Amino acid sequence: AQSVTQLDSQVPVFEEAPVELRCNYSSSVSVYLFWYVQYPNQGLQLLLKYLSGSTLVKGINGFEAEFNKSQTSFHLRKPSVHISDTAEYFCAVIVTGGGNKLTFGTGTQLKVEL
Amino acid sequence: GAVVSQHPSRVICKSGTSVKIECRSLDFQATTMFWYRQFPKQSLMLMATSNEGSKATYEQGVEKDKFLINHASLTLSTLTVTSAHPEDSSFYICSATLDRFSTDTQYFGPGTRLTVL
Repeated sequence: AQSVTQLDSQVPVFEEAPVELRCNYSSSVSVYLFWYVQYPNQGLQLLLKYLSGSTLVKGINGFEAEFNKSQTSFHLRKPSVHISDTAEYFCAVIVTGGGNKLTFGTGTQLKVEL
Repeated sequence: GAVVSQHPSRVICKSGTSVKIECRSLDFQATTMFWYRQFPKQSLMLMATSNEGSKATYEQGVEKDKFLINHASLTLSTLTVTSAHPEDSSFYICSATLDRFSTDTQYFGPGTRLTVL
């Protein structure tokens, strides 16, 4: 069975600083990879996804992620964060051939401070 | 973008009663809807997959007689928590997709906070 690990439960960072949120996955077959963001009292919103092709994926709000197959990672990065980026970020996978069932990590709370 | 709504956003009920949560796709037809449960500081756990016009597929460990799912139309799925108990208190989230392909984006509702007294 597949699994997703987000080692950092909380990441504090100052505004305008860069940030990286880590995500590692485990699966015996190929996967599709996703990052979702959840703002307080709102539903999850897709930031970006990797299906195939270029391993560097650009998403909304200036975020990007890089798929590294050898390290089974899909870390999320932003070169300069804003206060409005404060939210919960979830990494998720879909196993190819497994329908469209998402398996989520436990989430990382990004807190941007002045 | 595609919008998914949930109603109610919060509900408090007494132990032993049943609660119905609605999930609607507002501007698109969703052939597939998903129901998740999220505990505090934890991830979303898939409970069941619902396809319009057919029976829901439940994940292992989820009691289908307790969590009744109905997907009667392409824009509405309902989750009924029957004979609710305090341990059913949780945040329930639905999502919807346009089709059944695995690469299709899931659009999430804002969630429903259920508290069972």
